[in-house]
Parts: sequence; structure tokens; C-alpha cells
Amino acid sequence: GAVVSQHPSWVICKSGTSVKIECRSLDFQATTMFWYRQFPKQSLMLMATSNEGSKATYEQGVEKDKFLINHASLTLSTLTVTSAHPEDSSFYICSARDVGSGNTIYFGEGSWLTVV
Amino acid sequence: DAKTTQPNSMESNEEEPVHLPCNHSTISGTDYIHWYRQLPSQGPEYVIHGLTSNVNNRMASLAIAEDRKSSTLILHRATLRDAAVYYCTRSSGNTPLVFGKGTRLSVIA
Repeated sequence: GAVVSQHPSWVICKSGTSVKIECRSLDFQATTMFWYRQFPKQSLMLMATSNEGSKATYEQGVEKDKFLINHASLTLSTLTVTSAHPEDSSFYICSARDVGSGNTIYFGEGSWLTVV
Repeated sequence: DAKTTQPNSMESNEEEPVHLPCNHSTISGTDYIHWYRQLPSQGPEYVIHGLTSNVNNRMASLAIAEDRKSSTLILHRATLRDAAVYYCTRSSGNTPLVFGKGTRLSVIA
């Protein structure tokens, strides 16, 4: 299947700093990508839909000024956690829709964020 | 709201077939049914998806009820590597996948 790659796989940052997570579709173009957050032993929670060339659509309760999403190209979306706090520590996962393979959605490997 | 219902957990013996059920009684006519599985600390892995007809691929088979209100993911011969959380989701058009709690599958050697 198609490949979606995230970077970094894990990151530790200090409280109050910002951290950027990248999501790339390696072998297809994705006009739409999605960002999720997952806490231990819980399911994935949709945070936002990232649209190439336009603003992201955030789910209710997700602060758009805290979780900045940029989708500047057809193969790259970024999630920036601004002014991170320990409660932002989580597993962040992106996905991308591959129109060329029947709209199959592929997920990245996930990125662990720990805020200390 | 995932709008799908799955059992919390299931067990299977190794090399036996596994049938993982999913209810999606409010599914719309344009919703595809998607199945993913997730291992600890990894992103979900695509398994299979379908609309109306049963689907087969190298990983699994998807049996969709005639009224489309339920579906069953079939692993023909469970291996230890199939132990994971299996998620049944639905989406149409450009809508995102919304995940429920999934079914935790344990495979016994």
C-alpha cells in the first residue's frame, strides 16, 4: 500500500516551547490529510482535517491557535504544538487519502510527544 | 461518534479463522466500511474496505450484510502477528475516519 511517513517518531520538549511534526505522503499526492491524537489505552481522536492550500478544519474542542496545521504542498502537512504543556503529551498520528487507490486512507507511524 | 459498534475483545487460537463483527446500523448509502488494525505505539494499518460487495485481499476478507447494517472482518488463519486492536469505521466522500474503541484481538498459541 501507499506510504505515509511522520517525523519525528518521538520528541521531548520543554513546557512553553513549540514543536513541529511533519506528515508526508511518499508515493502519492494528498489534497486532504487528517491529524489525530491518541492517549494510552484509548482510541484515536480526530483533531483536524488539513486541506492543501487552505485553512484546516478543526474538530470541536481543539484549539486552532494551539495546534497549528499547515498543508503547503500536496505531499506535506505539518502540525505545530505551540506553547506545549505536559497535558499535550500524547501520540500524534496523521493520515492521508490516496485518491488513486480508491480513496484509501493510509496512516503514518505516529509521533510520540513528551512535554516536560 | 464513531457510529460503529464492536465487541471490546475477542480471542482466537492460532491458525484458526477469526470473525470480527461490526454493527453500523445508521450507515448511509454512500458510506464505505473501512477496517484498520493497530499495534501498540504504531499508526493504524489499513486492512480492507468495501461498499456493498464482499471484498478479499491478501490480508483478510470483508463480508458485508445485504442491508449493510453490519459487516464481518474475516482473518482466515490467525497468527500471533494478527494480535492487535481492530477498528471498523465508515466514511464517504472526503469525510475523515472517526474511530470507536475497536476490538482487541488476542491470539493464543
